[in-house]
Amino acid sequence: DAKTTQPTSMDCAEGRAANLPCNHSTISGNEYVYWYRQIHSQGPQYIIHGLKNNETNEMASLIITEDRKSSTLILPHATLRDTAVYYCIVSLPFSGGYNKLIFGAGTRLAVHP
Amino acid sequence: DAGVIQSPRHEVTEMGQEVTLRCKPISGHNSLFWYRQTMMRGLELLIYFNNNVPIDDSGMPEDRFSAKMPNASFSTLKIQPSEPRDSAVYFCASRRGQNTEAFFGQGTRLTVV
Repeated sequence: DAKTTQPTSMDCAEGRAANLPCNHSTISGNEYVYWYRQIHSQGPQYIIHGLKNNETNEMASLIITEDRKSSTLILPHATLRDTAVYYCIVSLPFSGGYNKLIFGAGTRLAVHP
Repeated sequence: DAGVIQSPRHEVTEMGQEVTLRCKPISGHNSLFWYRQTMMRGLELLIYFNNNVPIDDSGMPEDRFSAKMPNASFSTLKIQPSEPRDSAVYFCASRRGQNTEAFFGQGTRLTVV
């Protein structure tokens, strides 16, 4: 089962920052937080991931709280093309040192003009 | 790199027929995942290969489903016999290492009538 909680849906005005929250209160010390998005029926697209520190790339920023129990994905200047379902995932470890990505329901972000 | 390549993109088959879905992971990636997506159940992890070996197949729904990875550049997911409830979009994903991003293919939309 997914280990994260996200709002079902959010709205954002075009050009404004979109801040998508995620709760992962049961996260363990060596588990990473990943963000993916899925536009319509395309394959999920990787956005960003992190362990403890905040991360930034050309797509977004990831802010992880100091206790690591929650995080926020920030799209600094949302466009209409950012309308998608956004998934926050905590890697699920299992025996052998492997980990797998289990998707939850995600947040449906609607960017409007 | 062309990314993860799945074929066919669309498949329509009659109930009882065998269906084979194909996936070519990104070169150099040593982990491969098969997911299934439906409206009711969302994205479900079916099976996870590492270095061509199935590591976790706990998500495979029934014995009708089987997956193979004969080499590092090819994997198949077979359903025999197929049933209407198998209708879904099937995604393949690959990644290099454990705590890295996974890249998804565009999926195969399967319709069983």
